[in-house]
Amino acid sequence: NAGVTQTPKFQVLKTGQSMTLQCAQDMNHNSMYWYRQDPGMGLRLIYYSASEGTTDKGEVPNGYNVSRLNKREFSLRLESAAPSQTSVYFCASSLTGTGGHEQFFGPGTRLTVL
Amino acid sequence: RKEVEQDPGPFNVPEGATVAFNCTYSNSASQSFFWYRQDCRKEPKLLMSVYSSGNEDGRFTAQLNRASQYISLLIRDSKLSDSATYLCVVNRAGNNRKLIWGLGTSLAVNP
Repeated sequence: NAGVTQTPKFQVLKTGQSMTLQCAQDMNHNSMYWYRQDPGMGLRLIYYSASEGTTDKGEVPNGYNVSRLNKREFSLRLESAAPSQTSVYFCASSLTGTGGHEQFFGPGTRLTVL
Repeated sequence: RKEVEQDPGPFNVPEGATVAFNCTYSNSASQSFFWYRQDCRKEPKLLMSVYSSGNEDGRFTAQLNRASQYISLLIRDSKLSDSATYLCVVNRAGNNRKLIWGLGTSLAVNP
């Protein structure tokens, strides 16, 4: 039981490059999330998927797209990376999205955009 | 004013000390409250949920004061392994899309 896994762990991009961050969970959770964490800003929700087949914008969705590939996998895509997207990205999952369930986080991806 | 505010610290305490963190929230419609712990360069992990009646888990006690809109976390008999950042999290609308995360309070427990 690996919990929530993310790849890659580290990435350096040049401005304008694209990349996809992968996330998978093996806990049979319905809801999945992508966050970014920046110094002085706390965790901010980028996108959210309440259940397989649905996605919703969070607080800071601009510059990102997501795909809920199946119940296990939720990917985050940066189409044209910008230095402002330098951050630590966390994927999380929870049994449901109703607010009362614990969120389990992956180990994070540290992204630097030059 | 931020929706969730915490004293950033750092709190430096000796082993065995009792330390308390407070967190204030601005939206009276908030429904669920949590404390997460985040170790340096690691992911956040749930420490405990905070219930209206208050709750305790070993050395950790969480309290909620709805009237004053604050949440507290008390750690008794601090251990070196308690050194981490403690994140206050408030759920505004019974929906995980509405989780508001505090910036965290840093705790260093010294030998």
